[in-house]
Amino acid sequence: GAGVSQSPRYKVAKRGQDVALRCDPISGHVSLFWYQQALGQGPEFLTYFQNEAQLDKSGLPSDRFFAERPEGSVSTLKIQRTQQEDSAVYLCASRGGESNQPQHFGDGTRLSIL
Amino acid sequence: KQEVTQIPAALSVPEGENLVLNCSFTDSAIYNLQWFRQDPGKGLTSLLLIQSSQREQTSGRLNASLDKSSGRSTLYIAASQPGDSATYLCAVMNTGNQFYFGTGTSLTVIP
Repeated sequence: GAGVSQSPRYKVAKRGQDVALRCDPISGHVSLFWYQQALGQGPEFLTYFQNEAQLDKSGLPSDRFFAERPEGSVSTLKIQRTQQEDSAVYLCASRGGESNQPQHFGDGTRLSIL
Repeated sequence: KQEVTQIPAALSVPEGENLVLNCSFTDSAIYNLQWFRQDPGKGLTSLLLIQSSQREQTSGRLNASLDKSSGRSTLYIAASQPGDSATYLCAVMNTGNQFYFGTGTSLTVIP
């Protein structure tokens, strides 16, 4: 497709369950980013990939969060043993090869933990 | 750590007015700055990207300026329209490929 696609759009899970969020970046985009956006706040950086390499994961809040991009295209953000504080919108963005290019965002996955 | 602040948090103006949104950041060693709009329940739409070596960028009714040394950027919207109603976010990229976002300005343009 023409833009960044994220699925599912909405996810409801019980506390303690594992969830997986998917991101399909713009075709050919080298860089991929995950962000977490709490209600009424700006997005906060989670992790960054260049192709299949995870170059920065300093924003992941705990070892329950894991991201992968095995073939340098689609990425999955996995959250294990979910907690209520994990409830947020998870945004994915992709960017072309150069750092001076803009980031393009998907519509996000709204995660609610009951 | 980079801190990004946006003022005001909310703004309501009548249609047709020109307006300015402000963004300030604490670490001037930035790579670029990007302005986004976010509609309710949606992702972010890129409006303007300013490289650290640039002073301003323009797109249609939008003009963004950057004063890196003072840690400030402004987004100027001319002749506002109801369709401009959204949350506007400022994001600063340091050299580490990390974007730091402000909390946004919620804009309402009244017909």
